[in-house]
Amino acid sequence: TQLLEQSPQFLSIQEGENLTVYCNSSSVFSSLQWYRQEPGEGPVLLVTVVTGGEVKKLKRLTFQFGDARKDSSLHITAAQPGDTGLYLCAGEKVGTYKYIFGTGTRLKVLA
Amino acid sequence: ETGVTQSPTHLIKTRGQQVTLRCSSQSGHNTVSWYQQALGQGPQFIFQYYREEENGRGNFPPRFSGLQFPNYSSELNVNALELDDSALYLCASTLRNAQETQYFGPGTRLLVL
Repeated sequence: TQLLEQSPQFLSIQEGENLTVYCNSSSVFSSLQWYRQEPGEGPVLLVTVVTGGEVKKLKRLTFQFGDARKDSSLHITAAQPGDTGLYLCAGEKVGTYKYIFGTGTRLKVLA
Repeated sequence: ETGVTQSPTHLIKTRGQQVTLRCSSQSGHNTVSWYQQALGQGPQFIFQYYREEENGRGNFPPRFSGLQFPNYSSELNVNALELDDSALYLCASTLRNAQETQYFGPGTRLLVL
């Protein structure tokens, strides 16, 4: 059972465009992480959000955790070819140290 | 660099064989989780070890087993390999009770023929 749904699954955009990736669930999470993964490598942590309603910014990336801690979004401003990769969200199940991963969003930014 | 290392990086096995994958946690981390990532999908939780004991398991059969050692390094063992076991196997370490996030190793790519 996939508890975390990401959308869109695939995204191909031109350099300079903005985009938003969504991560939705019916479950409440203690925290939520966003990762970026390159082919053949492990996921690299981008950010962890813990508090409902929290917004974190990392240069051109803005992450938001839903008020109810069931969903999250990643917004990229002025995308660059270097942003290309697989973006994964992962929620920590409440009361555990276990993470459930989303289905992933594969982003391609064209120069 | 996350400080989490895995070996080997790549491995080819045939159906029915057994395989052992290894993971060294980031220094000071006492919890390790293993994930299976099939091509084009997100990682699926296999199990987690905390202080050398299994602490939760995903929907994987008993032929997937693990160990955690006193130095917190870990092994994933898979018996009776099947073609569908071909995947990237990831380990991630964290420090429990410290609100420390988990950090992933580079993974081991397993191909079962």
